[in-house]
Amino acid sequence: TQLLEQSPQFLSIQEGENLTVYCNSSSVFSSLQWYRQEPGEGPVLLVTVVTGGEVKKLKRLTFQFGDARKDSSLHITAAQPGDTGLYLCAHNQAGTALIFGKGTTLSVSS
Amino acid sequence: DTGVSQDPRHKITKRGQNVTFRCDPISEHNRLYWYRQTLGQGPEFLTYFQNEAQLEKSRLLSDRFSAERPKGSFSTLEIQRTEQGDSAMYLCASSLTGVIYNEQFFGPGTRLTVL
Repeated sequence: TQLLEQSPQFLSIQEGENLTVYCNSSSVFSSLQWYRQEPGEGPVLLVTVVTGGEVKKLKRLTFQFGDARKDSSLHITAAQPGDTGLYLCAHNQAGTALIFGKGTTLSVSS
Repeated sequence: DTGVSQDPRHKITKRGQNVTFRCDPISEHNRLYWYRQTLGQGPEFLTYFQNEAQLEKSRLLSDRFSAERPKGSFSTLEIQRTEQGDSAMYLCASSLTGVIYNEQFFGPGTRLTVL
């Protein structure tokens, strides 16, 4: 199983601040996915990155896939309380099961 | 709303009891997955179905766990002789074969508490 290490584990910031969370591995991936999970709900897919060096933007969220396709980052600009949640990276093992990291729990206070 | 639904949302049971959860996937999705998530962890894969066939099972799925998808539509996950270590959120997801990157759509989960 290819492990995904996410950091930091917890992040508590004020509204308006910027932040970056990381997803790292020693393995090379054909693609990585980022999910956000709110308390008491299932994960919701935010983005899939597939090309080394790729940058994708989703409003205030910027996702980057490392050149070597071993790591990825998620940057949030001007965080809002609605961004609060658990951010998970995952890869699709053999096209079936998703293998998740432990996630970063983000809390944005107003 | 035609997303993935799960029932019940919460279940409290005593150790040793059997419990059964239900998942209704998105109607046209032929793949269905079960995951388990404990506090502070990401979801962990348990098993998946393609139509009615159970194609893969994780080593996490002990012999007390059984899953079915009898008509290739809804699925049930049964845990027999529950233990306190079974307390977790049980998530169901579905996807459509052939969709690029196998995007999976998750339900809201069933939170199980074993006393």
